[in-house]
Amino acid sequence: AQSVTQLDSQVPVFEEAPVELRCNYSSSVSVYLFWYVQYPNQGLQLLLKYLSGSTLVKGINGFEAEFNKSQTSFHLRKPSVHISDTAEYFCAVSDRFEGGSEKLVFGKGTKLTVNP
Amino acid sequence: EAEVAQSPRYKITEKSQAVAFWCDPISGHATLYWYRQILGQGPELLVQFQDESVVDDSQLPKDRFSAERLKGVDSTLKIQPAELGDSAMYLCASSLGADTQYFGPGTRLTVL
Repeated sequence: AQSVTQLDSQVPVFEEAPVELRCNYSSSVSVYLFWYVQYPNQGLQLLLKYLSGSTLVKGINGFEAEFNKSQTSFHLRKPSVHISDTAEYFCAVSDRFEGGSEKLVFGKGTKLTVNP
Repeated sequence: EAEVAQSPRYKITEKSQAVAFWCDPISGHATLYWYRQILGQGPELLVQFQDESVVDDSQLPKDRFSAERLKGVDSTLKIQPAELGDSAMYLCASSLGADTQYFGPGTRLTVL
């Protein structure tokens, strides 16, 4: 069974600073990888996804992530954060098989706080 | 832009009472998911539907939880009786293909 580890439960940063949120996964097969963002008392919004192809994936709101198969990582980055990026971020993985995929497994989340 | 709809957004109930949550997926999405998210954790899958059929309900506490999607469109998740430990956010998601899931705003349940 696959699993996801988000190495930091909380990340405080100052506005306009760069940020990296770390995510490692374990799986014995090919995977799809996702980052979602959740604002307080709201559902999850898809930031970006890796399905295949280029290992550098660009998403909404200036975020990007890089799939590293050898290190089983999918770290999320943004070069300059805004106050409005304050939220909880979830990394998720699903095993991929021909014709479909298995269920999505989420990490425990990283709370990003952007301070002025 | 099409969205997943959920109601109610908030529900407060007393333990041993029955509660029900409703979800309307994005039009045309055949796959529907119910997740439970306990405060401070990531969502965990409770049940997955493909059209009106249950694909995976291995994590659904079947002694008190039930889910249905009778016409393969909207879905209802029920808890009877509710327990204190059921307090959580209940999220519904839908997908068209085999990869990307789109989430609704969730129902925040508080059991007193």
